[in-house]
Amino acid sequence: GAVVSQHPSWVICKSGTSVKIECRSLDFQATTMFWYRQFPKQSLMLMATSNEGSKATYEQGVEKDKFLINHASLTLSTLTVTSAHPEDSSFYICSLSGGWETQYFGPGTRLLVL
Amino acid sequence: SQKIEQNSEALNIQEGKTATLTCNYTNYSPAYLQWYRQDPGRGPVFLLLIRENEKEKRKERLKVTFDTTLKQSLFHITASQPADSATYLCALPVFGNEKLTFGTGTRLTIIP
Repeated sequence: GAVVSQHPSWVICKSGTSVKIECRSLDFQATTMFWYRQFPKQSLMLMATSNEGSKATYEQGVEKDKFLINHASLTLSTLTVTSAHPEDSSFYICSLSGGWETQYFGPGTRLLVL
Repeated sequence: SQKIEQNSEALNIQEGKTATLTCNYTNYSPAYLQWYRQDPGRGPVFLLLIRENEKEKRKERLKVTFDTTLKQSLFHITASQPADSATYLCALPVFGNEKLTFGTGTRLTIIP
């Protein structure tokens, strides 16, 4: 399967700052990537679908102006958490679509907003 | 929307025994169902996929069943080992879509 990396693996920031998380495909070209959020002891919740060269599609309840997604190439998607607040502290995970039945997941990024 | 429940939040099993995890869904039967393993602080790792027309799928010590009448999938780990300790997630596709909806997960602990 595809190898997916995320950078950084963890980040601590002050409230009000913006944080960018990168999701890279090392060996697979993905036109579609997904961004998930996982709070402690909860399951993965899909935030948005990122399509290369077009605007992301956000799930209901996810603020598109707060969580900016850019999918500029077939191997890179970025998620920027703007004006982060403590309630945005979570585990953010990306995945690549490998086709109808396949997603390859990244290792996740732990965000802590103080 | 599809609601997915996994039988218990935590399950403790003696080493060498079979661990059985349950995934129940409420609405439409999906075209397929997936099981993932997630270790603490890591992303999910794909284990098995079973399609709606398949009753059972096996991979080494893993076995998955899919009962569309009961709207349930069972995930079995035979001859369990402490290294099998992790959280196991089931996931179903959103109807007509590549998107996945995940279950709540079961934290499995294999006791030596």
